[in-house]
Amino acid sequence: GENVEQHPSTLSVQEGDSAVIKCTYSDSASNYFPWYKQELGKRPQLIIDIRSNVGEKKDQRIAVTLNKTAKHFSLHITETQPEDSAVYFCAAAFSSGYSTLTFGKGTMLLVSP
Amino acid sequence: GAGVSQTPSNKVTEKGKYVELRCDPISGHTALYWYRQSLGQGPEFLIYFQGTGAADDSGLPNDRFFAVRPEGSVSTLKIQRTERGDSAVYLCASSLDGERGGTTDTQYFGPGTRLTVL
Repeated sequence: GENVEQHPSTLSVQEGDSAVIKCTYSDSASNYFPWYKQELGKRPQLIIDIRSNVGEKKDQRIAVTLNKTAKHFSLHITETQPEDSAVYFCAAAFSSGYSTLTFGKGTMLLVSP
Repeated sequence: GAGVSQTPSNKVTEKGKYVELRCDPISGHTALYWYRQSLGQGPEFLIYFQGTGAADDSGLPNDRFFAVRPEGSVSTLKIQRTERGDSAVYLCASSLDGERGGTTDTQYFGPGTRLTVL
């Protein structure tokens, strides 16, 4: 089955800096890669996703890049704000059937004012 | 509109007891997923429903776990003879259509049920 590795496990940045979280996956058939943000005690919330027919997607301060050859994808957050502090999870799925998600272990992002 | 809801939000039970966890998906969503999240980990897949049928239950850890979705909407996850290792947050997610790919398979999560087995 699919295996997703996520790094780093914790990331501390100053407000205004950029943050990058990286994930690798094992199943070359995976073609759907969402990112979820989870605040303490809250539900995971989708912040951005990418499908394997594109290499990069951007939404305001958030961007995701995908390298299918190397089987890795990354989340980039620019101009970080304290409210970006949360745990971020990457996931992968083979989406032509149904999209059972395999998640990474998460990255705790701390943005200091 | 209303998102995915789950009840109860917290459940404390004793080892060996039976528990039921409920999920109300977003109205009109045909696909429903159950995941389990242990402390400090990402969610792990348990079971997937397309309509009323369990299309994939490969993530259920053993036969003490069972889930139903009799009318294709609300789902109940049932755990028999609970063990301390079952303690976790049980998350439910739904998507508009799980089978076609494209953008209709985006999963929206509920707030979870925190299960504690003493």
